[in-house]
Amino acid sequence: DTAVSQTPKYLVTQMGNDKSIKCEQNLGHDTMYWYKQDSKKFLKIMFSYNNKELIINETVPNRFSPKSPDKAHLNLHINSLELGDSAVYFCASSQVGALAGELFFGEGSRLTVL
Amino acid sequence: GQQVMQIPQYQHVQEGEDFTTYCNSSTTLSNIQWYKQRPGGHPVFLIQLVKSGEVKKQKRLTFQFGEAKKNSSLHITATQTTDVGTYFCVEANDYKLSFGAGTTVTVRA
Repeated sequence: DTAVSQTPKYLVTQMGNDKSIKCEQNLGHDTMYWYKQDSKKFLKIMFSYNNKELIINETVPNRFSPKSPDKAHLNLHINSLELGDSAVYFCASSQVGALAGELFFGEGSRLTVL
Repeated sequence: GQQVMQIPQYQHVQEGEDFTTYCNSSTTLSNIQWYKQRPGGHPVFLIQLVKSGEVKKQKRLTFQFGEAKKNSSLHITATQTTDVGTYFCVEANDYKLSFGAGTTVTVRA
C-alpha cells in the first residue's frame, strides 16, 4: 500500500487553464503539506494543514487553493495556470506537526504549463 | 525566506572516496532533519538530530549537529553509486519544514 499517493503523476496543460492535484495518505497522520520543487530542485513549502485546518500559507498566489475534506486528504486546485507554475508538486504528511518526526512524501506530480 | 544554507551545491565524488556536505543557519535550530532524493524520485527521510553535539551513524553515513545548534553535517565514507542523489538538510519548526537548497551528488565509477 502506498503511504502517500498523489494523482496525477504528470500534467501537461495550456496557460490559463485550471487543474487539480489530489493527495491521500493512509498513515493516520494529522498534518499534510504541499511543496513545490522548481527546476533547480529547491523545495518550498506552500501549505500546511493540521486536522483539516490551514496552518501555514506561505504567500502563495490566490490562484492556488488547497482543500482538505478530511485529515487523510489534501487536494490542490490551481486556477489560471501560468508558465511559472511549471514544477513538481509534492504532497507530504507527518504526525502532529513537523517536530514530531519525519515527513512522508508522495511521488510527486510534474506540472508542465505550455 | 530560506534559513538553512547548504554547501556545496554540487559534489562530484570518485567512487570509494569520502565527502561531507554542510548545513549552516544564522539562528539556533530547534532540530534538523536530513533527506535524500534520488534522481526522479521524492525526498526520503534519513535522520533527525535534536541535541546539541549529537552524532548519529547509519552504516557509511555520519550525521552531526553542532554544539551551538547552528550547523549540521553529513559525512559519507567510501562513496558508492547508490549514494547518487540530492541531500537536503531541513529545519523543522511549528508545522513548517524549511529545506536547504540541497547538495547534489554524482559519483564517478
